Amino acid sequence: GAGVSQSPSNKVTEKGKDVELRCDPISGHTALYWYRQSLGQGLEFLIYFQGNSAPDKSGLPSDRFSAERTGGSVSTLTIQRTQQEDSAVYLCASSLVGTNNSPLHFGNGTRLTVT
Amino acid sequence: TQLLEQSPQFLSIQEGENLTVYCNSSSVFSSLQWYRQEPGEGPVLLVTVVTGGEVKKLKRLTFQFGDARKDSSLHITAAQPGDTGLYLCAGARGSNYKLTFGKGTLLTVNP
Repeated sequence: GAGVSQSPSNKVTEKGKDVELRCDPISGHTALYWYRQSLGQGLEFLIYFQGNSAPDKSGLPSDRFSAERTGGSVSTLTIQRTQQEDSAVYLCASSLVGTNNSPLHFGNGTRLTVT
Repeated sequence: TQLLEQSPQFLSIQEGENLTVYCNSSSVFSSLQWYRQEPGEGPVLLVTVVTGGEVKKLKRLTFQFGDARKDSSLHITAAQPGDTGLYLCAGARGSNYKLTFGKGTLLTVNP
């Protein structure tokens, strides 16, 4: 069956440009998460969606970061005016429901490099 | 503040050896999960432990949750090259959806 799909798998952009990262969760999963993984760091929580709503945006590092989810399915993470410190792997995960008893299924991530 | 400390950070062993990696915290977690991540891929859930003192076995992998639910260990018996990867622990509080991840242990098993 189809897992979580993320695109692009790699993105190289110049400092100051905007980027959009896409996540297609597993069909029927109501909860969707974005995490960031930097070299030598653990996974850093960015944002959580339940359906189309984002009850927890507390992990977004700055107002340059935003995310939306439409139709209870696809989500887009947008980073405006990218900075070199934004370089990382951005991971999306989905789960059936938004509790810790519902296992997370991760995509393979988008590796973002800001030059 | 890193709430979950994993050790060792790096571990390189020969095929057939046994190993244990640790996940420690000063905080209590309602459950703890272990993931394995291979290069270029996302983490894959191995196990969830929820009861203090709980021991779960997955083939050659044995997971233990501390009695106080503040720490966990992963023991691998007779390691194989296919066990190579980044092992991450992640803790949850209550029924909260938000997981706190450790930085991981990067395991290399040499043939």
